[in-house]
Amino acid sequence: AQSVAQPEDQVNVAEGNPLTVKCTYSVSGNPYLFWYVQYPNRGLQFLLKYITGDNLVKGSYGFEAEFNKSQTSFHLKKPSALVSDSALYFCAVRDIYQGSQGNLIFGKGTKLSVKP
Amino acid sequence: KAGVTQTPRYLIKTRGQQVTLSCSPISGHRSVSWYQQTPGQGLQFLFEYFSETQRNKGNFPGRFSGRQFSNSRSEMNVSTLELGDSALYLCASSVGRGLNEQYFGPGTRLTVT
Repeated sequence: AQSVAQPEDQVNVAEGNPLTVKCTYSVSGNPYLFWYVQYPNRGLQFLLKYITGDNLVKGSYGFEAEFNKSQTSFHLKKPSALVSDSALYFCAVRDIYQGSQGNLIFGKGTKLSVKP
Repeated sequence: KAGVTQTPRYLIKTRGQQVTLSCSPISGHRSVSWYQQTPGQGLQFLFEYFSETQRNKGNFPGRFSGRQFSNSRSEMNVSTLELGDSALYLCASSVGRGLNEQYFGPGTRLTVT
């Protein structure tokens, strides 16, 4: 079965510092990976996805993610954090199985807190 | 282009009642998926509709059902509500199925008392 793990419940970063939110995956077949962000009392917003191609994927709001097949990881990164980046971040994998097109399977989420 | 809209935004029901939630996808999007978000279980997939047909279903009891209309709008229904059904219900739409990214609505916060 497909799954994703976000090993950190919370990540604390000072404004201006680089940030990394970790995600590891377990899939059978090709991984199709996504990052979403959720602000308080809001739905999820799409940040970026990896389907195939370059291992470094660039997304919205200056975020990028690095796909590493050998480490089965898809970590979210940003060179310089902003206070407004404080939110809940979800990694997800598309559950693709034979003969069908599956739903998103989400990690538990990582709360990012950026302090001024 | 307007985003995904969900109505109502907040709902309070009592145990045993039933509830219907509505979702209007982004114009041109034909796939609608529903998710339940709770602090304990996180985000869990409920079901997906495409071209008025349920294409995929998560591991939820039969009390949870849904449908999609010809204009791609979708509703989900929960019958015989239980306290554990209290959650944020999120609707997401995408252009098609498969690897297209999903765009989420703000959710409906359901509280069962």
